[in-house]
Amino acid sequence: EVQLVESGGGLVKPGGSLRLSCAASGFIFSSYTMSWVRQAPGKGLEWVSSVSGSSGYIYYADSLKGRFTISRDNAKNSLYLQMNSLRGEDTAVYYCARFDYYDNGAYNDYWGQGTLVTVSS
Amino acid sequence: IQLTQSPSFLSASVGDRVTITCRASQGISSYLAWYQQKPGKAPKLLIYAASTLQSGVPSRFSGSGSGTTFTLTISSLQPEDFATYYCQQLSSYPRGITFGQGTRLEIK
Repeated sequence: EVQLVESGGGLVKPGGSLRLSCAASGFIFSSYTMSWVRQAPGKGLEWVSSVSGSSGYIYYADSLKGRFTISRDNAKNSLYLQMNSLRGEDTAVYYCARFDYYDNGAYNDYWGQGTLVTVSS
Repeated sequence: IQLTQSPSFLSASVGDRVTITCRASQGISSYLAWYQQKPGKAPKLLIYAASTLQSGVPSRFSGSGSGTTFTLTISSLQPEDFATYYCQQLSSYPRGITFGQGTRLEIK
């Protein structure tokens, strides 16, 4: 059974840093591109970042302006999101999600339960 | 690429047929997925490639469209279908992925 379990969320002051983790199980982690998606309270979904299976390509949403860094450790079946210079607008539930593929396309087929990040003084 | 869903809010009754529309600001071929989200839960994949039903999803859900206009149809609403629905475009996967603003479906 595929499972994605996020951790590391919490309350952080503006300007602070936080590192989120996502522990994956039930599939060959290194074979899949993974992503982070966030959802501010009462708002819609926002793609944050993606990393390929080998970490050969990494992409971020333009809105992040270099403050976040995605990484993975395939030996530990884990995905990470290092978040720096945090702002109030980064307050959200952060989900990790797996991409699956078809022909030339993809979709997020499995999602974790999410971890809440609150940026407040 | 921006996605605009309509309506943003929909009130319907059990047994109704409902349709949600997602319009892309430029052509995205069929690189579109639909998700259902219930309060406090992660999104659940319903449809990918615009019209392919994900395994295990009831057949009352269907998707159609290509290019810039897409629809999600629920043929006969069931109580468990009342939720928020999002479209997602992946035409430039794995970069530049965007979601629609969501359609909240509530019981009339």
